[in-house]
Amino acid sequence: AQTVTQSQPEMSVQEAETVTLSCTYDTSESNYYLFWYKQPPSRQMILVIRQEAYKQQNATENRFSVNFQKAAKSFSLKISDSQLGDTAMYFCAFMKLNYGQNFVFGPGTRLSVLP
Amino acid sequence: DTGVSQDPRHKITKRGQNVTFRCDPISEHNRLYWYRQTLGQGPEFLTYFQNEAQLEKSRLLSDRFSAERPKGSFSTLEIQRTEQGDSAMYLCASSEREKFDEQYFGPGTRLTVT
Repeated sequence: AQTVTQSQPEMSVQEAETVTLSCTYDTSESNYYLFWYKQPPSRQMILVIRQEAYKQQNATENRFSVNFQKAAKSFSLKISDSQLGDTAMYFCAFMKLNYGQNFVFGPGTRLSVLP
Repeated sequence: DTGVSQDPRHKITKRGQNVTFRCDPISEHNRLYWYRQTLGQGPEFLTYFQNEAQLEKSRLLSDRFSAERPKGSFSTLEIQRTEQGDSAMYLCASSEREKFDEQYFGPGTRLTVT
């Protein structure tokens, strides 16, 4: 079975600064996807960024980028130029590619962006 | 169709009562997933459908839980004889079969069992 760990329950960052959220996972699968989802207060989950495990290049989406270390089973999210709207719960998620493709989520990191 | 919708958004029920939730996926999406999220935790997979077929169920889905997707469009999740431990947010997500890595989530139904 796959497990996802996020060791930082809460983090805060000043507006316009950079913050990195950590995620590690455990799997015996060789091919899979990894995701970061954002859940703003009382709002629905929104995909931030995804990474296919067979791609060595780290994914980037505007101010969001990942550091994917496959051997270390690590998948951190870097948010540059933090904005107040980035305040949310951030969930790291794993998806295997065979049968079902459901998510296995980590426990989340609550990020507060301070003015 | 602007996204996944769920109804009701909030449900308060007494222990022992039955409840039913509805999820309407994005219209062209043939996959539909149910997740449960307890306070302070990440969502946990419950079950998923491809069209009307229920293809996988988590061991979290006890005998008191049943899900249906009768015509391959909307889905219902019923909980019988609710218990306080059922209190959680129930999330629905949908995707196209070929784009399984693009799951879109609904706003969820928050269930409180008193």
